[in-house]
Amino acid sequence: NAGVTQTPKFQVLKTGQSMTLQCAQDMNHEYMSWYRQDPGMGLRLIHYSVGAGITDQGEVPNGYNVSRSTTEDFPLRLLSAAPSQTSVYFCASSYSGQGSLEQYFGPGTRLTVT
Amino acid sequence: AQKITQTQPGMFVQEKEAVTLDCTYDTSDQSYGLFWYKQPSSGEMIFLIYQGSYDEQNATEGRYSLNFQKARKSANLVISASQLGDSAMYFCAMRFPQGGGGADGLTFGKGTHLIIQP
Repeated sequence: NAGVTQTPKFQVLKTGQSMTLQCAQDMNHEYMSWYRQDPGMGLRLIHYSVGAGITDQGEVPNGYNVSRSTTEDFPLRLLSAAPSQTSVYFCASSYSGQGSLEQYFGPGTRLTVT
Repeated sequence: AQKITQTQPGMFVQEKEAVTLDCTYDTSDQSYGLFWYKQPSSGEMIFLIYQGSYDEQNATEGRYSLNFQKARKSANLVISASQLGDSAMYFCAMRFPQGGGGADGLTFGKGTHLIIQP
């Protein structure tokens, strides 16, 4: 199993550009989520999904959209990038949101918005 | 709202000594889970140990143990016989319910930067 994969690993955007961060898992996990990590901070939850077709907002959802059309994929879209979105983004998955023992994290995407 | 506090921004420890990383949490929920993750300089998040709020025994995983004191709302990580490879950021996190769908998210502390010295 590849686990949780994220692409790209690095990305530089100009203010106002749009892009999609890709996340895929091959463990048949129902629950997937996106976090951002800023310097000196822990990870903060952006959006999450409990299954295909179901998504909801986390702590810091503004400026991000998500969709979940398949169990495997959970892309994160930035519609109009802003410098405040410069961060490292982590995707995570687990068997079930409730009662899960562990969330498996992808390797992260380092995004810089100039 | 749930909150995780890690009061040690950085720690220096001699190799082979035991290390205790502090974590306190605040929640009004009775059912929750506590996690510790390690983040080395390469950036990935590595799961170390988990403690459920109803678990009576402290969790252990190899050299890692979790000192869970529910009444004090603390969940300290203990690393026995530290090694140079233990140098990393360590994050305490709590699982909490999200919305009404029964899903969970993780709330993270700000982390402790642990440096093991030879």
